[in-house]
Amino acid sequence: GQQLNQSPQSMFIQEGEDVSMNCTSSSIFNTWLWYKQDPGEGPVLLIALYKAGELTSNGRLTAQFGITRKDSFLNISASIPSDVGIYFCAGYPNFGNEKLTFGTGTRLTIIP
Amino acid sequence: DGGITQSPKYLFRKEGQNVTLSCEQNLNHDAMYWYRQDPGQGLRLIYYSQIVNDFQKGDIAEGYSVSREKKESFPLTVTSAQKNPTAFYLCASSTRRLGATFGSGTRLTVV
Repeated sequence: GQQLNQSPQSMFIQEGEDVSMNCTSSSIFNTWLWYKQDPGEGPVLLIALYKAGELTSNGRLTAQFGITRKDSFLNISASIPSDVGIYFCAGYPNFGNEKLTFGTGTRLTIIP
Repeated sequence: DGGITQSPKYLFRKEGQNVTLSCEQNLNHDAMYWYRQDPGQGLRLIYYSQIVNDFQKGDIAEGYSVSREKKESFPLTVTSAQKNPTAFYLCASSTRRLGATFGSGTRLTVV
């Protein structure tokens, strides 16, 4: 099936550091989404992107929809302990097709 | 409050048995989804439905079946043909404008 590759797979950072992660696809997506999942729970939507080149912020989070429509980026500034979790990108392909594909995930750990 | 409800939260199944996982939403979303998550892994799409009485296979549909008789409901049956059913199952509903909203999941264990 369609693959969304996220990198890095895991990150170990200290509180206060900035975080960057990205997601790439072999095919075009027309909507990109970023989610966070806490252990044992369903993912929660952080940011949605609808247009190539779009840059959107949600508090300390900033995400970008790549110009090629085949990638997206998420940045977290000044990380705090509650940022720990797994971050997933997800995408919808062409309009009219609601198949929502998820990436492989980036696990964020904050070192005390 | 609008939301999506999965039940049960934990489910134990004997080998060879079929089990059905419930998913109900009151968000008035047209699209609904089932994903499987294995420990330390991402979300893999089992089935999705864009509209009532219609559904499509995802990437790992073998051994699973679904129905979409009502807009609010999208139950998933894990059949005996699924050889490794132990996993965390997540249901979601969505609109493209607002993205997908997830339930809290069902953890299925084969005993």
